Amino acid sequence: GQSLEQPSEVTAVEGAIVQINCTYQTSGFYGLSWYQQHDGGAPTFLSYNALDGLEETGRFSSFLSRSDSYGYLLLQELQMKDSASYFCAVRDGGGSYIPTFGRGTSLIVHP
Amino acid sequence: SQTIHQWPATLVQPVGSPLSLECTVEGTSNPNLYWYRQAAGRGLQLLFYSVGIGQISSEVPQNLSASRPQDRQFILSSKKLLLSDSGFYLCAWARGGDTGELFFGEGSRLTVL
Repeated sequence: GQSLEQPSEVTAVEGAIVQINCTYQTSGFYGLSWYQQHDGGAPTFLSYNALDGLEETGRFSSFLSRSDSYGYLLLQELQMKDSASYFCAVRDGGGSYIPTFGRGTSLIVHP
Repeated sequence: SQTIHQWPATLVQPVGSPLSLECTVEGTSNPNLYWYRQAAGRGLQLLFYSVGIGQISSEVPQNLSASRPQDRQFILSSKKLLLSDSGFYLCAWARGGDTGELFFGEGSRLTVL
């Protein structure tokens, strides 16, 4: 089976940088994804890392270390609208692509 | 472009009543389809996934069932709801290839009383 660990809550102030970590245990690892979910809404895709290294998309970056079974989501120049839950998800093997999600990290951005 | 819709958005049902949530995807063919449930303040629990018409895999034993009568239609059902079935139900689809991206529907919030 798969298991993922991420902090339950992170707080930061506007304009700051915050890092949300995710460690995983899985067999047949193919990649690590990140999703954002605002209260009452559906999750939306942020990023995907299949290879080691940093992927940058605007203010958001995601990092993966396969040897350490570890990744993180980096949010820069925080804005109030970034307050949301962030989930990491690992992709299982095979063509069926069965993603398993972590329990989510609630990010609270203060003015 | 691809879109995904699920309905109803909100429903309140008594214990023991049946359930039917429907999800349709447009703009793609032969998608992988998923039903997730999210309890308040919790992560996403995979309930069912389907790689093709009539092909359903269940991840957790429960009183729910799923069906895929058409390529782009995924239905979640129950004959008799339990209190513990309350939650936020999300349908999602994924395209083939190594994109690692799921596309979610708007969600259906179920309250069982």
